[in-house]
Amino acid sequence: GESVGLHLPTLSVQEGDNSIINCAYSNSASDYFIWYKQESGKGPQFIIDIRSNMDKRQGQRVTVLLNKTVKHLSLQIAATQPGDSAVYFCAEKSGGGADGLTFGKGTHLIIQP
Amino acid sequence: KAGVTQTPRYLIKTRGQQVTLSCSPISGHRSVSWYQQTPGQGLQFLFEYFSETQRNKGNFPGRFSGRQFSNSRSEMNVSTLELGDSALYLCASRTGLVNNEQFFGPGTRLTVL
Repeated sequence: GESVGLHLPTLSVQEGDNSIINCAYSNSASDYFIWYKQESGKGPQFIIDIRSNMDKRQGQRVTVLLNKTVKHLSLQIAATQPGDSAVYFCAEKSGGGADGLTFGKGTHLIIQP
Repeated sequence: KAGVTQTPRYLIKTRGQQVTLSCSPISGHRSVSWYQQTPGQGLQFLFEYFSETQRNKGNFPGRFSGRQFSNSRSEMNVSTLELGDSALYLCASRTGLVNNEQFFGPGTRLTVL
């Protein structure tokens, strides 16, 4: 099947700065996208999702942007905190719900003090 | 509300053996999915169960199987273990097949020697 990938394996940002994590997907039939955060020794934690009929969605300190034209997804984290250090995965789903999630490889976000 | 629980958390087996992993979904969640996470392949979908029926399956050999019980708890089994089966096995639950947000457990770390 088609895969979802991340542009950068590691992203280092200063505490307090904004972080932007990017993701490219290749399945044009994907209609649902999710960002997960995974801390060491834990399972992925849901951050925010977006459906294909939207191009932007905001949560608490996070914003997801979807550009279907270029099949690009991004996660913006405002005022990055030490607790944001983790691996971030984008995931996509197609088929209306019954299919499993297809995950990208992940980006390791490192927060510099 | 308790989260997704997985047992055991860690497991060491030898090649050729078989293993059974257990997952208890969030109360009220009827769908359980299983994923394999490795450094090389990332997170990959194994299968999903809903109402005791397998609804979808990823691209894994028949050595990987699962089942779901009437209380929505799920088990996955791997027979004739290979070294490459060493991975973190993650279980995720959601309310149904239409609701897409999945909640992950902490995973079972399987090491095959």
